[in-house]
Amino acid sequence: GQNIDQPTEMTATEGAIVQINCTYQTSGFNGLFWYQQHAGEAPTFLSYNVLDGLEEKGRFSSFLSRSKGYSYLLLKELQMKDSASYLCAPMDSNYQLIWGAGTKLIIKP
Amino acid sequence: DGGITQSPKYLFRKEGQNVTLSCEQNLNHDAMYWYRQDPGQGLRLIYYSQIVNDFQKGDIAEGYSVSREKKESFPLTVTSAQKNPTAFYLCASSIEGAGGGYNEQFFGPGTRLTVL
Repeated sequence: GQNIDQPTEMTATEGAIVQINCTYQTSGFNGLFWYQQHAGEAPTFLSYNVLDGLEEKGRFSSFLSRSKGYSYLLLKELQMKDSASYLCAPMDSNYQLIWGAGTKLIIKP
Repeated sequence: DGGITQSPKYLFRKEGQNVTLSCEQNLNHDAMYWYRQDPGQGLRLIYYSQIVNDFQKGDIAEGYSVSREKKESFPLTVTSAQKNPTAFYLCASSIEGAGGGYNEQFFGPGTRLTVL
C-alpha cells in the first residue's frame, strides 16, 4: 500500500533551524512536494524534488533520497510566522499526490 | 489576478440535504481536484478531472458527485448519502507538465461545511 510517515508535532525556537523528516512508500514515484498549511487555511506550495539531492529556496531547503524513500524539509532562521503544518506529498505513478497527516510545527520565542 | 475561488467559506446545512460547493479557476489549468480534510488527517481525494466532461473517483467518492462542463469550473455536490459530511473541503488545480505529468497543485481557500 501507499504510506507516508511524518512526526505529528515538533517544537523549535525562533531564529533556530528545524528539520522535518518524511518517509514514504508509493506505487511508482514522480517526485515529492512539500506544502505549508496555516491553521484554517489552504495548503501552499513550498518545494518539489524529483531527483536526489538538496533543493534550496531562501530559508527553506528540501532533500530527497529516492532509494531510501526519504525526504526532509529544512527551515532556517525560524520566524513566528513559520508556525504551521508541513505536509509531505509524494506523487505516485498515476500523478496523484499521496498526502501525509502533516507535521505541526510550533515556534516559541 | 489568477487564482482559484471557492464559495462560500462557511456553509451550514441540515442533515439529509444535498449541498453544492463551487470551485472556479482562471489559471487555465487542465486538472482539478476535490479533497476533504478532517482534523489530524491528511488530505483525502474525493474526485478529480483531467479534462472537460471527464472525471474519476478518488479514494472516498461515495456520497459525493461532481461535474466538469467547463474547464474553469468543478462543482462538488455533497449528497445526503454521505454519512459524515462535516469537514473542510479543498479544491485544487494543476497544469499538465512538459513530460505529460502534472505540476504542483494550487489550492482554493476551502469551504468549511457543517451539517447540523
